[in-house]
Amino acid sequence: SQTIHQWPATLVQPVGSPLSLECTVEGTSNPNLYWYRQAAGRGLQLLFYSVGIGQISSEVPQNLSASRPQDRQFILSSKKLLLSDSGFYLCAWSGVAGALNIQYFGAGTRLSVL
Amino acid sequence: SQQGEEDPQALSIQEGENATMNCSYKTSINNLQWYRQNSGRGLVHLILIRSNEREKHSGRLRVTLDTSKKSSSLLITASRAADTASYFCATDYGQNFVFGPGTRLSVLP
Repeated sequence: SQTIHQWPATLVQPVGSPLSLECTVEGTSNPNLYWYRQAAGRGLQLLFYSVGIGQISSEVPQNLSASRPQDRQFILSSKKLLLSDSGFYLCAWSGVAGALNIQYFGAGTRLSVL
Repeated sequence: SQQGEEDPQALSIQEGENATMNCSYKTSINNLQWYRQNSGRGLVHLILIRSNEREKHSGRLRVTLDTSKKSSSLLITASRAADTASYFCATDYGQNFVFGPGTRLSVLP
């Protein structure tokens, strides 16, 4: 069966520090991968999605970047965090194009930038 | 914006009552999905309804879709305290996948 791992669960970082959040998927090949951010009590904002290795689409201009160095690995990064980067970050995967686009989520990372 | 909009934003009911949440969207969709999120956790897929379907059931869940009104509803029957969570509709536009802001459901014992 497929599983998605996302870590760390919680992270407290000072303003101006770098960020690296990692997400890996097991049990499937060539998944579509997504990074979302969720503000407290709000819906999800799509940040990046990827349909293959090295293929990244950015939905929102921001202080963040994403990379997909391997088929089932998706990394969210920042060189210098801002206070506004605080939030709940969720990684998700879905099946290949043409399949029903059901998304499967990781447990999330709560990022606090102080 | 293509974003779906759920209403109400928050709903509080007694255990055993039915809970109805609504979702509206703006442009044609491939399908519409409902997800649940327990506090501080990831989202879990509940049910998907295709654009050519009008109603779908899964256990205590019933979803309807009215493409002429661009709206959907999620009904949870005989609610339980464990149903307390946020519920999100998500619209699949093919290239795009958009979540609404969610409805926070509280089921009181």
